[in-house]
Amino acid sequence: RKEVEQDPGPFNVPEGATVAFNCTYSNSASQSFFWYRQDCRKEPKLLMSVYSSGNEDGRFTAQLNRASQYISLLIRDSKLSDSATYLCVVNIPHKDTGRRALTFGSGTRLQVQP
Amino acid sequence: DVKVTQSSRYLVKRTGEKVFLECVQDMDHENMFWYRQDPGLGLRLIYFSYDVKMKEKGDIPEGYSVSREKKERFSLILESASTNQTSMYLCASREGGQVMPQHFGDGTRLSIL
Repeated sequence: RKEVEQDPGPFNVPEGATVAFNCTYSNSASQSFFWYRQDCRKEPKLLMSVYSSGNEDGRFTAQLNRASQYISLLIRDSKLSDSATYLCVVNIPHKDTGRRALTFGSGTRLQVQP
Repeated sequence: DVKVTQSSRYLVKRTGEKVFLECVQDMDHENMFWYRQDPGLGLRLIYFSYDVKMKEKGDIPEGYSVSREKKERFSLILESASTNQTSMYLCASREGGQVMPQHFGDGTRLSIL
């Protein structure tokens, strides 16, 4: 079982739609959580951190459910420029050393259509 | 803004060659990371370093080694390149504190023929 799991998509939505992605993680010792965005043939870039109480940044809302071990990303009023792959990222203790490194999901592809 | 620079955007090498991928960051970050990214597999951690001359194996260290002689530079070494090491390689850095996000370089697309 992967440590971080995402639906690969693609999610095809019209402009202006609201779309939500979920991500589950298996390690209950995970401490910090992020959503990254990756455009085709580009490096991943931080979209937003995810806080326990949930947080919002413009059209983007992130939530964390520790009990069920999942995080979510909601995008409202989708724009064409939102088309990208969204990576769920979890800070997990390394299995041998306990040091934490970011573990990435495989990503969910979003295609916003005109 | 954090700047993470990888030495090559595209690289083509032959099987059996020793390959060096260089990464430099300009923000005095303690932590640096090397990942590879393959379709359907996402980013997988190869090695990371939390201090000069310190290194730790990630999830897929076999066939790779690293060097961190200076804080700003983290090198990934393919000792004897093989075709299954054809991939996109991404370097990242992060300041101290394990809740901080990582910042990535542009990536090196490495092809082993």
